[in-house]
Amino acid sequence: KAGVTQTPRYLIKTRGQQVTLSCSPISGHRSVSWYQQTPGQGLQFLFEYFSETQRNKGNFPGRFSGRQFSNSRSEMNVSTLELGDSALYLCASSLAKTSGGTDTQYFGPGTRLTVL
Amino acid sequence: DAKTTQPPSMDCAEGRAANLPCNHSTISGNEYVYWYRQIHSQGPQYIIHGLKNNETNEMASLIITEDRKSSTLILPHATLRDTAVYYCIVRVAFPTGGFKTIFGAGTRLFVKA
Repeated sequence: KAGVTQTPRYLIKTRGQQVTLSCSPISGHRSVSWYQQTPGQGLQFLFEYFSETQRNKGNFPGRFSGRQFSNSRSEMNVSTLELGDSALYLCASSLAKTSGGTDTQYFGPGTRLTVL
Repeated sequence: DAKTTQPPSMDCAEGRAANLPCNHSTISGNEYVYWYRQIHSQGPQYIIHGLKNNETNEMASLIITEDRKSSTLILPHATLRDTAVYYCIVRVAFPTGGFKTIFGAGTRLFVKA
């Protein structure tokens, strides 16, 4: 079974631009979460999508947004980029089980965003 | 607000077992312990998880103490490719459903030839 895929893998943007990152979850997985990872702050939760709805949200400004499509694929968008947005953006998917034990989350390879 | 503590770094000789400890003394009764690892600049890789019984898969074994306050990840025959940062986590569940993963600082494992 194919793993979580993210595109693009690397991206260079300038301040003020916007960017869209894409994530394809493992087949059958309905929950997609996004994280930002930086050396200083570690792994920070951005938001989680389930059934095309944002179910949970972290503590990030409104410049960070996302969506999920009916096939569970997800995109996240960052508008008005700042230098501090340079990070590894990780997508993770899970089945979103509601019963029968735990729900394992699998991460994609990440998109490395550099803002100049 | 990581719920686990791990030693910052460990060394292991190639071919030997690597035993990585984790303390999760505040874990509640229905929370699972998860282990991931991350090789530099790559996405975290799921290794194994457990609730209270010891677990084994093709990658590793997980030993959880009877009181569930600590656990040990065992890589039975470490190779150079096992050099990575290893994260022991207890996830934070949302009341609306779902959860978030919080990585602490992890243990940087160096496997040496």
